[in-house]
Amino acid sequence: GAGVSQTPSNKVTEKGKYVELRCDPISGHTALYWYRQSLGQGPEFLIYFQGTGAADDSGLPNDRFFAVRPEGSVSTLKIQRTERGDSAVYLCASSLSLANTGELFFGEGSRLTVL
Amino acid sequence: QKEVEQDPGPLSVPEGAIVSLNCTYSNSAFQYFMWYRQYSRKGPELLMYTYSSGNKEDGRFTAQVDKSSKYISLFIRDSQPSDSATYLCAMSLASGGSYIPTFGRGTSLIVHP
Repeated sequence: GAGVSQTPSNKVTEKGKYVELRCDPISGHTALYWYRQSLGQGPEFLIYFQGTGAADDSGLPNDRFFAVRPEGSVSTLKIQRTERGDSAVYLCASSLSLANTGELFFGEGSRLTVL
Repeated sequence: QKEVEQDPGPLSVPEGAIVSLNCTYSNSAFQYFMWYRQYSRKGPELLMYTYSSGNKEDGRFTAQVDKSSKYISLFIRDSQPSDSATYLCAMSLASGGSYIPTFGRGTSLIVHP
């Protein structure tokens, strides 16, 4: 497939557990973004990668959230000690770096439910 | 006050109507303005983007930006039931090359036959 792929599509977990969400961007896209979308709200920025490094992580809500992109392609968003308020759809997007004018290509999201 | 304000709707119109969707914003430094469409349980997809002020047309869609009023609009002509979706406005700075979009909360549009 040529689009952004996210796994799992749905994840149900219990409060206090650890969760990993995976994003496989479009081949050749060096920029990768994570957003979080709560019900009835727009996507809220979490973190942005340019290549392997986190260029901007100002949107991460607290130190329970962490993301990596070790080889500049696939990224993993990690959430420790999950709380009920973490329940949301986590969206990943990628874009061409130099041509980026906000033209992000989104995956279908990972829907996280914390019981 | 959020940086980008958007009425959540829902906005319900008959097929064939002209639809007007709007956003206001507070940060005068925004340079790029975008409209995304999001179907239920799908990721947003880019419809249109505009740099700075002015109009841009693409088929049945027209995007307008008025930077003096900090107001952007998306017009949909001859609306179709397949246009039923949530429309998200987004805007970004041109700083540091990151162009990280800030989104509105989205307006739910329902076009009924």
